[in-house]
Amino acid sequence: KAGVTQTPRYLIKTRGQQVTLSCSPISGHRSVSWYQQTPGQGLQFLFEYFSETQRNKGNFPGRFSGRQFSNSRSEMNVSTLELGDSALYLCASSWGQGRIYEQYFGPGTRLTVT
Amino acid sequence: LAKTTQPISMDSYEGQEVNITCSHNNIATNDYITWYQQFPSQGPRFIIQGYKTKVTNEVASLFIPADRKSSTLSLPRVSLSDTAVYYCLVGDKGSSNTGKLIFGQGTTLQVKP
Repeated sequence: KAGVTQTPRYLIKTRGQQVTLSCSPISGHRSVSWYQQTPGQGLQFLFEYFSETQRNKGNFPGRFSGRQFSNSRSEMNVSTLELGDSALYLCASSWGQGRIYEQYFGPGTRLTVT
Repeated sequence: LAKTTQPISMDSYEGQEVNITCSHNNIATNDYITWYQQFPSQGPRFIIQGYKTKVTNEVASLFIPADRKSSTLSLPRVSLSDTAVYYCLVGDKGSSNTGKLIFGQGTTLQVKP
């Protein structure tokens, strides 16, 4: 079974631009969560989607948004990029039913904002 | 989710057994204890999960004392490839926050030849 895939793997953007990252979960998984990882803040939860609905949201500004499609694929968008948005963005999928702490992470998208 | 405390770093040598202890004094009755492993520039990987006593799988063992205020991840006979960051997480398996993992600082394990 294929793992979680994320595209693109690397991205360089300029301050003020916006970016869209994509995540394809493991087949059959209906829950997709997004995390931001930086050296200073570590791994931080962004949001979770299940059946196209956002179920949880972390403490990030409104510039960070996401959505999930009917095939469970998810995208996250960051608008008006800031230098501090440079990070590894990780997507994780799970069944979403009773196995909440067994999530499967993708390789991440490395975003660099210049 | 209960807060966890782990050592920031540990060193070991190939072939040794490594034990990483996590403190979670405020663990709730319904909370489970879960460990993840992360290699550089990769996403975390689920290792093991338990509620009480001992859990063992092909990768590791998890020891949880009766009071459940701490837990110990045991890695038998480590190799260089076990060099990674190990995260301990505590939370309610049945809560509505089904996808929200709260990671602490983790323990960086360095395995030396």
